[in-house]
Amino acid sequence: EAGVTQFPSHSVIEKGQTVTLRCDPISGHDNLYWYRRVMGKEIKFLLHFVKESKQDESGMPNNRFLAERTGGTYSTLKVQPAELEDSGVYFCASSQEQGNIQYFGAGTRLSVL
Amino acid sequence: GNSVTQMEGPVTLSEEAFLTINCTYTATGYPSLFWYVQYPGEGLQLLLKATKADDKGSNKGFEATYRKETTSFHLEKGSVQVSDSAVYFCALSRSNSGYALNFGKGTSLLVTP
Repeated sequence: EAGVTQFPSHSVIEKGQTVTLRCDPISGHDNLYWYRRVMGKEIKFLLHFVKESKQDESGMPNNRFLAERTGGTYSTLKVQPAELEDSGVYFCASSQEQGNIQYFGAGTRLSVL
Repeated sequence: GNSVTQMEGPVTLSEEAFLTINCTYTATGYPSLFWYVQYPGEGLQLLLKATKADDKGSNKGFEATYRKETTSFHLEKGSVQVSDSAVYFCALSRSNSGYALNFGKGTSLLVTP
């Protein structure tokens, strides 16, 4: 069974550009979470989907971030326009039901120059 | 709010040494507690978990006991191996936040032969 897949693995963009990160959860997992680790800080929760609905987006830093999960399968996280402080590693995780183990992808390292 | 504090790394040990990584938490109610591990180039993997007070999670020779009286979940291993070199993250989750994970900053462990 395929695990959680994220791509790209690494993205380097200039300030002001747009970047879209993608996450493919484990098939059948209704719950999808996005997290971010900024250099030297904790991994922080961004938002939580249940199927295609946003259950909790309290961790989204500002309106430059837009997450979607059309059809309840894969999810995208778009940053527009990117700022320097957006640099970090973005992780996606999925679980079959809430409270079950969350399985993580390898992350996307975003570098904003 | 919920938070996790873990000892800062890096921690360097010789093979077969005893490992302790301290983790304490702040949360209302009864969170579930986790240790995740990230090996170089990979995503986070669940190492062990405990869901109620006095539970002991164990896996691959690692152990951690949920201590409500000291709000701690310290990770221990009696004899580390070079292959244990990784970053270890302590985390908690609560049902009233959709089981989103709150992480500590991570502790980097390097085991030398």
